[in-house]
Amino acid sequence: QQPVQSPQAVILREGEDAVINCSSSKALYSVHWYRQKHGEAPVFLMILLKGGEQKGHEKISASFNEKKQQSSLYLTASQLSYSGTYFCGTFNFGNEKLTFGTGTRLTIIP
Amino acid sequence: DTGVSQDPRHKITKRGQNVTFRCDPISEHNRLYWYRQTLGQGPEFLTYFQNEAQLEKSRLLSDRFSAERPKGSFSTLEIQRTEQGDSAMYLCASSLVTGQETQYFGPGTRLLVL
Repeated sequence: QQPVQSPQAVILREGEDAVINCSSSKALYSVHWYRQKHGEAPVFLMILLKGGEQKGHEKISASFNEKKQQSSLYLTASQLSYSGTYFCGTFNFGNEKLTFGTGTRLTIIP
Repeated sequence: DTGVSQDPRHKITKRGQNVTFRCDPISEHNRLYWYRQTLGQGPEFLTYFQNEAQLEKSRLLSDRFSAERPKGSFSTLEIQRTEQGDSAMYLCASSLVTGQETQYFGPGTRLLVL
């Protein structure tokens, strides 16, 4: 079953912060975050493994709540280059393939 | 290491024709995945290989679709008797089985069936 992301779309001014949520109905082994720009392939951002760890680099970070089967992606001081559609991908126990979420379209305006 | 490559990048074909796409994974990666993506949707899993063995196929993969990965290197995805509903972006990804399974995507092949 496909993970559900929220919000579906968000518009920010440059410099503002955003949070994108990913929720699964199944127990998760790991969560992967990707950003895809129009007409291009998804680009890997980060992976989070079970254990509630938070990972990130620069102004993009993420958390993983294994018990709640949820992950959140945090974008701080957004830049124009952050525009695109963000997908979470989940690995479930016993299932060796990524299931991608419904997507969140992020638009950054100057 | 030049990343995952796919060929062709674009393909326009007439309904009923056969098409074949190629994917070259990152050289040391032993897993290779095929996905299909339609406008506004996330990638949908089609099939994957570990080395040359095809380990799983999605129900989305009808009998008209076949994938191979001879010698565990590049892979091909063939669609026979194409239908308009096959129009989509076909993405290939590869990964190294390490327990973290980060998948790196190629640029995709955009198929348009007329």
